[in-house]
Amino acid sequence: DTEVTQTPKHLVMGMTNKKSLKCEQHMGHRAMYWYKQKAKKPPELMFVYSYEKLSINESVPSRFSPECPNSSLLNLHLHALQPEDSALYLCASSQDWGQDYGYTFGSGTRLTVV
Amino acid sequence: AQSVSQHNHHVILSEAASLELGCNYSYGGTVNLFWYVQYPGQHLQLLLKYFSGDPLVKGIKGFEAEFIKSKFSFNLRKPSVQWSDTAEYFCAVNSRGSQGNLIFGKGTKLSVKP
Repeated sequence: DTEVTQTPKHLVMGMTNKKSLKCEQHMGHRAMYWYKQKAKKPPELMFVYSYEKLSINESVPSRFSPECPNSSLLNLHLHALQPEDSALYLCASSQDWGQDYGYTFGSGTRLTVV
Repeated sequence: AQSVSQHNHHVILSEAASLELGCNYSYGGTVNLFWYVQYPGQHLQLLLKYFSGDPLVKGIKGFEAEFIKSKFSFNLRKPSVQWSDTAEYFCAVNSRGSQGNLIFGKGTKLSVKP
């Protein structure tokens, strides 16, 4: 298995809803990442997990809450989002966290906040 | 801070034309370099990567890129484009300066006319 699987593919949520995005990989990768991509913009790093511990939080608002239950799973819990949070949320993984590893990206969850 | 520059915002070519997309980065130390492609409505796919060794890297779908360290550049080339190459192309870099995190350029949209 050489894929990163993200669910759901599409999500529409209201500003008072609570939802979660899920990311899964079975490549034995020990680093996992959440990126946010607005339309016609490059992906921007949100969080880095290394060996199931949060290593980087790029000043992301607390309405986004990541969770890494085990080495294969990465969740992003969403609560009280704003319409400007609508974007493509990408999960990625790499063999380890550091300079020498390439990333595998999932297909993303397209989130619309209404 | 580390940055990646893609100078061409939108490139329009006819089929069979040759392609060169520019990418420059700002970090002076050891870097790893990547080109990703994103077809309309799809996820990021790795075209090619450079970690070390031969600075001329060959990737999938007939793409290649050349790392020129003295120019801090990693330009993407293809001798003859096809309509199916229409997509957004992102250059990305990771390094010790970015703590191994992947930093993306703003992307270049390629439109190929049949």
